[in-house]
Amino acid sequence: LAKTTQPISMDSYEGQEVNITCSHNNIATNDYITWYQQFPSQGPRFIIQGYKTKVTNEVASLFIPADRKSSTLSLPRVSLSDTAVYYCLVGDPDSGYSTLTFGKGTMLLVSP
Amino acid sequence: GAVVSQHPSRVICKSGTSVKIECRSLDFQATTMFWYRQFPKQSLMLMATSNEGSKATYEQGVEKDKFLINHASLTLSTLTVTSAHPEDSSFYICSAAVRGGSSGNTIYFGEGSWLTVV
Repeated sequence: LAKTTQPISMDSYEGQEVNITCSHNNIATNDYITWYQQFPSQGPRFIIQGYKTKVTNEVASLFIPADRKSSTLSLPRVSLSDTAVYYCLVGDPDSGYSTLTFGKGTMLLVSP
Repeated sequence: GAVVSQHPSRVICKSGTSVKIECRSLDFQATTMFWYRQFPKQSLMLMATSNEGSKATYEQGVEKDKFLINHASLTLSTLTVTSAHPEDSSFYICSAAVRGGSSGNTIYFGEGSWLTVV
């Protein structure tokens, strides 16, 4: 069961790039890394998922080093609406993600 | 993208009664769904894994007789909180896995359901 460690909180300003790093030292070979965003009283929203190297979509980039023991979510030019809790999860798709365990997440506060 | 929908979004019930929460996959079939519970300012805790056509798998410490899960079709899983008490008041969230290609399966979450037991 891959455990993840993230900073509890981060502060940023509008227009800045935000990088949130997650450690997952005991990630397994078949595990993927997925990031979610959660606003208060809402379910987590999928942001991005990857296995290795770099993945980019319309909202974020995910950087995964060769050893896969960490990953970094990069949010370009954040806005006030990006204030939320961000979760890094590690799990094996073939197991149905039964090992998907939420850590404490990172509370990102974006200020004007 | 894939959508998982929950109903109701908010429910208030009296202590001792039962309440049902529905989780639907709207544009895909989900053989497996997951139910989570989240208390204010805390992270999500996995309660159980719902398997279509078979019994749910509960996490340690979760009472299966209290939290009844039924996954009767490939698009619907229900969580019934039986004989609810105030301590069961919480935010309940379901999720489902969408089969992916090279990017792996992806879990999508519902909007969540607030349960208040009075």
